[in-house]
Amino acid sequence: GENVEQHPSTLSVQEGDSAVIKCTYSDSASNYFPWYKQELGKRPQLIIDIRSNVGEKKDQRIAVTLNKTAKHFSLHITETQPEDSAVYFCAASRAGNQFYFGTGTSLTVIP
Amino acid sequence: GAGVSQSPSNKVTEKGKDVELRCDPISGHTALYWYRQSLGQGLEFLIYFQGNSAPDKSGLPSDRFSAERTGGSVSTLTIQRTQQEDSAVYLCASSYSTDTQYFGPGTRLTVL
Repeated sequence: GENVEQHPSTLSVQEGDSAVIKCTYSDSASNYFPWYKQELGKRPQLIIDIRSNVGEKKDQRIAVTLNKTAKHFSLHITETQPEDSAVYFCAASRAGNQFYFGTGTSLTVIP
Repeated sequence: GAGVSQSPSNKVTEKGKDVELRCDPISGHTALYWYRQSLGQGLEFLIYFQGNSAPDKSGLPSDRFSAERTGGSVSTLTIQRTQQEDSAVYLCASSYSTDTQYFGPGTRLTVL
């Protein structure tokens, strides 16, 4: 089955700096890669996703890049703000199969 | 429209008792997932339903755990003879096929 690894497990950045979280996956058939943000005590919420026919996607301060050859994808947050502090999960899936989640990255943005 | 709902929001039970957790997915969503999240940990996959196909039960940690999905909609996760290590937040999610998952608010289970 699929195996998704996520790094780093914790990340601290100064407000205004950029944050990058990386995930690798093992199943070359995976074709959908969402990122979820989970604030303390809340449910995971989708913040951005990318499909295998696209190399990069951007939504305001958030971007995701996908390298199918290397089987890795990354989340980029620019101009970080304290409200970006949360746990971020990456995931990989393919049609008809379950989602495989990374172990999460706890991001702290220091004001 | 209505999102994924779960009930109860909190459940406290005694060791050895059985519990049932309910998930109401978004209407029309064909896929339904159950996850377990212990405090400060990641999402542990439990079971996945997709349409009328046989569920993927590969994540269920023991035979004390079971789940069913009636009529392709509501799902119930049952834990028999609960143990203290079963204490966690149980999250349900639904999606249309294997598109974006939407999570419910979770059920916080505490086994005393």
